[in-house]
Amino acid sequence: EIVMTQSPATLSVSPGERATLSCRASQSISSNLAWYQQKPGQAPRLLIYGASTRATGIPARFSGSGSGTEFTLTISSLQSEDFAVYYCQQYNNWPPLTFGGGTKVEIK
Amino acid sequence: QLQLQESGPGLVKPSETLSLTCTVSGGSISRSSFFWGWIRQPPGKGLEWIGSIYYTGSTYYNPSLKSRVTISVDTSKNQFSLKVSSVTAADTAVYYCARHSEYSNSYYFDSWGQGALVTVSS
Repeated sequence: EIVMTQSPATLSVSPGERATLSCRASQSISSNLAWYQQKPGQAPRLLIYGASTRATGIPARFSGSGSGTEFTLTISSLQSEDFAVYYCQQYNNWPPLTFGGGTKVEIK
Repeated sequence: QLQLQESGPGLVKPSETLSLTCTVSGGSISRSSFFWGWIRQPPGKGLEWIGSIYYTGSTYYNPSLKSRVTISVDTSKNQFSLKVSSVTAADTAVYYCARHSEYSNSYYFDSWGQGALVTVSS
């Protein structure tokens, strides 16, 4: 099973600032990584797939990078609606499909 | 627009079987190119993939749950279902149904249901 580790667990950022979230895989997953955003009481929403491709309707301030075992989600200028929990998911080897533990982006 | 909706009992007794159904609207579950999956999230915790099914009935399960999980599909009703047997309090979670592509290198979830909270308690 591929273990996904996200850091930090919580990120405190002021509106308008840049946020950088990390996701590490326990073995190489090529670029087979997705990022999701989850707000309280809602289902996760797909943001990024293929490590760097934005899903339909996702604003350009969200960008993904990385390959192999190290990945980054960057939110260039945080808006109020971006404060949420973010999860990464690998889909290179299955079963199982595995998620990281999440990073909560909170208002500083 | 594709919509997924979970339904089923919100309270299940320990040692009994949890049963949920996901109804798909706005698209056919029989359409090739997609798997239909279940993911759960214990209160305040992260996401765990349970398993996925193709419209033909082919299934893939999380090895950690495989002995207790059954996923089935009913194409005539455009639904797929989840059963988890011998539940304990650790199975208390929000259960989501979701869709992912059948193509390798595309097993990410692009459509999700709103989720159904299932509590295991006597």
